[in-house]
Amino acid sequence: GAVVSQHPSWVICKSGTSVKIECRSLDFQATTMFWYRQFPKQSLMLMATSNEGSKATYEQGVEKDKFLINHASLTLSTLTVTSAHPEDSSFYICSARVMGRGGLGTGELFFGEGSRLTVL
Amino acid sequence: AQSVTQLDSHVSVSEGTPVLLRCNYSSSYSPSLFWYVQHPNKGLQLLLKYTSAATLVKGINGFEAEFKKSETSFHLTKPSAHMSDAAEYFCVVSDLAGGYQKVTFGIGTKLQVIP
Repeated sequence: GAVVSQHPSWVICKSGTSVKIECRSLDFQATTMFWYRQFPKQSLMLMATSNEGSKATYEQGVEKDKFLINHASLTLSTLTVTSAHPEDSSFYICSARVMGRGGLGTGELFFGEGSRLTVL
Repeated sequence: AQSVTQLDSHVSVSEGTPVLLRCNYSSSYSPSLFWYVQHPNKGLQLLLKYTSAATLVKGINGFEAEFKKSETSFHLTKPSAHMSDAAEYFCVVSDLAGGYQKVTFGIGTKLQVIP
C-alpha cells in the first residue's frame, strides 16, 4: 500500500515556541491531505483539509492562525503549531487520500505514524 | 447527515475466541466504509474497506466485515483472536457530502485479548 511518512514522531517544546510537523506521501501524489488531532482515549478529530496549491479548509472551532497548514507540493504538507501552549499537547496524525476509481470519494486513506507533541 | 456509532467502547475476549466489534452508520449518500486499527502510539492501519462491491469484505490478519444496508451496519469479525490483535479499532464512513469527501470516525473500540 501507499506510504505516508510523518516527522517528527515525538517533539517536546517550551510554551510560546512554534513547532512544525511534516507529512509526506512517499510513493504517490496526494492532492489532498488531512490533519487530525487525537486526545487521550478519544477518536480522531479532523482539524483541516490540506489542498495542494490552495488554502487549507479548517473545521469549525479550529484556529487557522494557530494551526498553520501549508501544502506546497503534491507530496508534502506541513502543520505548524504557532506559539504552542500546554493545551496544544496532543497526538497529531496526517493522512493522504488515494483517489478511487473515477476520482470519487472512495479512495483509501493512508495515515502517518503520528506526532506526539508535548508543550512544557 | 453522516455519522458513525461504535456500540462498544471496550471489548474483552479470550485468546482463540471470536471477535465482534460493532459499527452502525448513517449516510445520505452511497458510503464507503473502513475499519482501521491503531496500536499504542502508532498511526492507523487499514484493516479492510467496503466500496460498493462485495458486501462481505475480507481484510488483513484474518479480519472481515459485512456491509448490511438494511441494518446500516458494518460489524468487524474475526474467528479466533490473537494476542497481537489487542489494539484500538476505528470504524470510518466516507461519502461525497455536498460535493466534497467527508470522513467521519467512530469513537473507537478498545480490544483486549486475555491469554
